[in-house]
Amino acid sequence: QVQLQESGPGLVKPSQTLSLTCTVSGGSISSGGYYWNWIRQHPGKGLEWIGYIYYSGTTYFNPSLKSRITMSVDTSKNQFSLKLSSVTAADTAVYSCARDRRITGRGLDSWGRGILVTVSS
Amino acid sequence: DIVMTQSPDSLAVSLGERATINCKSSQSVFYSSNNKHYLAWYQQKPGQPPKLLIYWASTRESGVPDRFSGSGSGTDFTLTISSLQAEDVAVYYCQQYYSIPYTFGQGAKLEIK
Repeated sequence: QVQLQESGPGLVKPSQTLSLTCTVSGGSISSGGYYWNWIRQHPGKGLEWIGYIYYSGTTYFNPSLKSRITMSVDTSKNQFSLKLSSVTAADTAVYSCARDRRITGRGLDSWGRGILVTVSS
Repeated sequence: DIVMTQSPDSLAVSLGERATINCKSSQSVFYSSNNKHYLAWYQQKPGQPPKLLIYWASTRESGVPDRFSGSGSGTDFTLTISSLQAEDVAVYYCQQYYSIPYTFGQGAKLEIK
């Protein structure tokens, strides 16, 4: 059973860059067949899709965040990462990574528990 | 972007009774190449990540109890819990994954009456 685990700083200062990593266990990112997503949830609010990356490095981002997002994948470590630049208090949220069965069109079937990132000075 | 609108925002249902949550998409999420609606339902309990219940609008994810069912077509979809159990208390989200950006409904909070 695949498991995902987010890691990174829980506190980021305004205007700085938020950096998170998702470590995948129980399956190989480079085996293909899945896209690897980042999704966030503002406190007490709904879900916002940030973007996804394929093991080849192909990415798709939410246009609302596109100018500030960088995603990368490290197949040797079985990890993928998110960088969000120029953060403000509005970026305070629980950030989760999730596996996407996009190629077969069957939804986001595995999620990490999420990590709360607070943007504050 | 495809806007997903759920109704109601919250509902209270007695144990053993039926719970119904609706989801409307602002445009079709039907993928003609495989005749599937790219619509999923998730359950989120407090402090936990979302759990996939239904994909393709009506296909139950492996391990999901059969009291959960999805239906609908076009732009109108429904999640039904046939006989509410205490462990079903959660927020339920619909999601379209037909087009980028993926979008979610605002969530429906289900409680016990």
